Amino acid sequence: GENVEQHPSTLSVQEGDSAVIKCTYSDSASNYFPWYKQELGKRPQLIIDIRSNVGEKKDQRIAVTLNKTAKHFSLHITETQPEDSAVYFCAASRNNAGNMLTFGGGTRLMVKP
Amino acid sequence: SAVISQKPSRDICQRGTSLTIQCQVDSQVTMMFWYRQQPGQSLTLIATANQGSEATYESGFVIDKFPISRPNLTFSTLTVSNLSPEDSSIYLCSGYGTSGSGEQYFGPGTRLTVT
Repeated sequence: GENVEQHPSTLSVQEGDSAVIKCTYSDSASNYFPWYKQELGKRPQLIIDIRSNVGEKKDQRIAVTLNKTAKHFSLHITETQPEDSAVYFCAASRNNAGNMLTFGGGTRLMVKP
Repeated sequence: SAVISQKPSRDICQRGTSLTIQCQVDSQVTMMFWYRQQPGQSLTLIATANQGSEATYESGFVIDKFPISRPNLTFSTLTVSNLSPEDSSIYLCSGYGTSGSGEQYFGPGTRLTVT
């Protein structure tokens, strides 16, 4: 089955700096890669996703890159703000859709004001 | 996006008892899932709830311990049976549908504490 590894497990940045979270996956058939943000005590919320037919996707301060050859994808957050502090999860699915997801272990991002 | 609700939001149960969690979505979804999230951990898929038939369980999860029902497209229940302290966790349901770009949305979770 699919295995998704996520690094780092914790990340502390100064407000305004950039943050990068990286994930690797094992199943070369995986083709959909969402990122979820989970604030303390809240449900995971989808913030961005990418499918295997593109290499990069951007939404304001958030971007995701995908390297299918190397089987890794990354989340980039620029100009971080204190409200970006949360746990971020990457995931992978082989159905080109958000159904059968395998999650990474999570990254706790702390943005210091 | 789909709105997903769960009941109860939290409960404290004694070992040996069972807890049934309800999940309701506000629109038709093609797939519903149940996850477990232990404190400080990631999400682990328990099973896919299939409408009108037995759920599909992931490795390490069995129907006797986690019976699931899905009588229609918008409602599902998860029962955690014969509770032990190791079952203390957050249980989340999620829905995946054909609207939008095919995203999976999560309910708010049920925090279970077993004493």
